[in-house]
Amino acid sequence: DVKVTQSSRYLVKRTGEKVFLECVQDMDHENMFWYRQDPGLGLRLIYFSYDVKMKEKGDIPEGYSVSREKKERFSLILESASTNQTSMYLCASSFPRGREQYFGPGTRLTVT
Amino acid sequence: AQTVTQSQPEMSVQEAETVTLSCTYDTSESDYYLFWYKQPPSRQMILVIRQEAYKQQNATENRFSVNFQKAAKSFSLKISDSQLGDAAMYFCAYRSPNNDMRFGAGTRLTVKP
Repeated sequence: DVKVTQSSRYLVKRTGEKVFLECVQDMDHENMFWYRQDPGLGLRLIYFSYDVKMKEKGDIPEGYSVSREKKERFSLILESASTNQTSMYLCASSFPRGREQYFGPGTRLTVT
Repeated sequence: AQTVTQSQPEMSVQEAETVTLSCTYDTSESDYYLFWYKQPPSRQMILVIRQEAYKQQNATENRFSVNFQKAAKSFSLKISDSQLGDAAMYFCAYRSPNNDMRFGAGTRLTVKP
């Protein structure tokens, strides 16, 4: 079974803090994704990566950065957390071209 | 850009009955993939069913089936013999050949015993 894990299920941070969200997959997937999930908005793509050290902006990259130093690991970084970044963050991975994405359990981040 | 619309924010079904969740999408592509994902409360999002646009036959997975109308750009999910464990958020998703993935806003399904 494909397994995608995220470092935390729940996280509470203060405004201005630097926040790291980690995602690890064990299926040798080339593609990895970070989404943000908000009620009524579905999932919105923040960043994605097709390969190690490669990254592409999604629809809402502002305020976020990513790092992919190893194939199995994709990190999302909030350089200076703000209250409007309070949300559920989902990591996903997939093989290239047309295959479904496999999701991690999500991290519910609260910024106070 | 492709968009995915789920017009039903909430749906309710009686246990053992059938329910249909609606999804429409907008694209100029001819080759793409469509998915329905299920997200149970506080649990991981999982794939329910997948449909390749070039296949005319509707996909089926046990109690789950789709009605894929390519010309109408419609992709509805039918759940037969609904069970309490089917209660979840359901997301319709579109994926283009260049890996662009779009999700609908979701439909929250309640199953009444």
